[in-house]
This record gives sequence, structure tokens and C-alpha cells, in this order.
Amino acid sequence: DGGITQSPKYLFRKEGQNVTLSCEQNLNHDAMYWYRQDPGQGLRLIYYSQIVNDFQKGDIAEGYSVSREKKESFPLTVTSAQKNPTAFYLCASRTSGSSYEQYFGPGTRLTVT
Amino acid sequence: GENVEQHPSTLSVQEGDSAVIKCTYSDSASNYFPWYKQELGKRPQLIIDIRSNVGEKKDQRIAVTLNKTAKHFSLHITETQPEDSAVYFCAASRDTGFQKLVFGTGTRLLVSP
Repeated sequence: DGGITQSPKYLFRKEGQNVTLSCEQNLNHDAMYWYRQDPGQGLRLIYYSQIVNDFQKGDIAEGYSVSREKKESFPLTVTSAQKNPTAFYLCASRTSGSSYEQYFGPGTRLTVT
Repeated sequence: GENVEQHPSTLSVQEGDSAVIKCTYSDSASNYFPWYKQELGKRPQLIIDIRSNVGEKKDQRIAVTLNKTAKHFSLHITETQPEDSAVYFCAASRDTGFQKLVFGTGTRLLVSP
């Protein structure tokens, strides 16, 4: 299961606390993505980044923030402003070459109580 | 923006039967359509994809068909096996250099022995 990793697998936080989810890839991919997965809603795009030091909001960016200081890393911070943060979070990456496949990490299940 | 609808939400078949999952999309400029399989508790993995310059693509027991005029595409699994049991997601995106996938809501396929 190398290539793209996420840690931790399970994360528990109290309401009102910010929490940062890790995403690391050693595939030398330029593009990286964060998705949120809720039951019955598929995958929804939170943020994406095409290159280092550049990122754009996806469809549900409110209450989240990201950084892309290194090509290999794209951490996601779930802030206290996110009204319903409990979900399964998936990170993905993709080469900028001819392949269209997005490779997913194993995910982090965040529970906020 | 793009909207992808996926049906059915659940599908139960007997081992050896065929299974068909259908998706429709709204953005006529979309031209890349992947299908991902997600087993319970695991990451989504690409199983097949199609570009809009072809109408059908096969890979062993799985095939995808695309009807650009009607804006729908389908996943066909023949000779289903219990290990095909998983959630399947369709997605669509424009080929604009950066790939922003919009996912369907998923189909839970259960193959009974």
C-alpha cells in the first residue's frame, strides 16, 4: 500500500478543535486532491493543488484549509468553522502526464464529538 | 457545473449473473469517464475508464459504454463473482489539463454465491 499514505487511519476530536490530516505521496505526482466521503453522497472535492504553493477551492471548501509547501505533501486542516466535520476523508494524487488515473490514499475517518 | 447521477444505489445479483450500473452527466464538455471500485474500508481504485472518442471499452469481465448524445455511460460486469461485491462510483470530468472529477453517489453491488 505504498505510493500515497494518509495518517492516522482513525482520528477523534472534540468539537471546537482544529485538526490536521496528513497526506504524503512518493509517486512524484504534481496534482493532489482532498475529498470528503459521506454515506450515500459519493466523493465531494474539498481542495486541489496542481503545483507546489498553489491550490484551489473545490465544491465544499468552507471550514477547511490546506497548504502545499512540498510536492510530496498536501495536509488538510479541518477547522472549528466546519459545521459537520465527521466524515471519511480521502486524499488523491495524479501525474500531470498522459495518465488520467487518480490514485487514492487509504483515508482517514474523522469523528468529532 | 457538472452533475453526475448514478443508478441503482444498490444492486443484488447471483454469482454468474451480469450487473449493469448506469450514470448520466450534465456537462456536454465532459470527455473523461472513469469507474472506481471501493471495497469496504478500503480506498477507491480505478477499474476502467473511457474517453469520449470511443463508444465502448472492455477489460476481461468488465466493460464501459458511452453515449455522448444522450450523456450517459454504463458499467457492465459479466459472470459476476463474490469478490465483485463492493461500492462502484462513476465520475466525469473535462479534459482541460487539470482533472476535476465529479462523482456519482455510488452503487453497492452484492454478489451472492
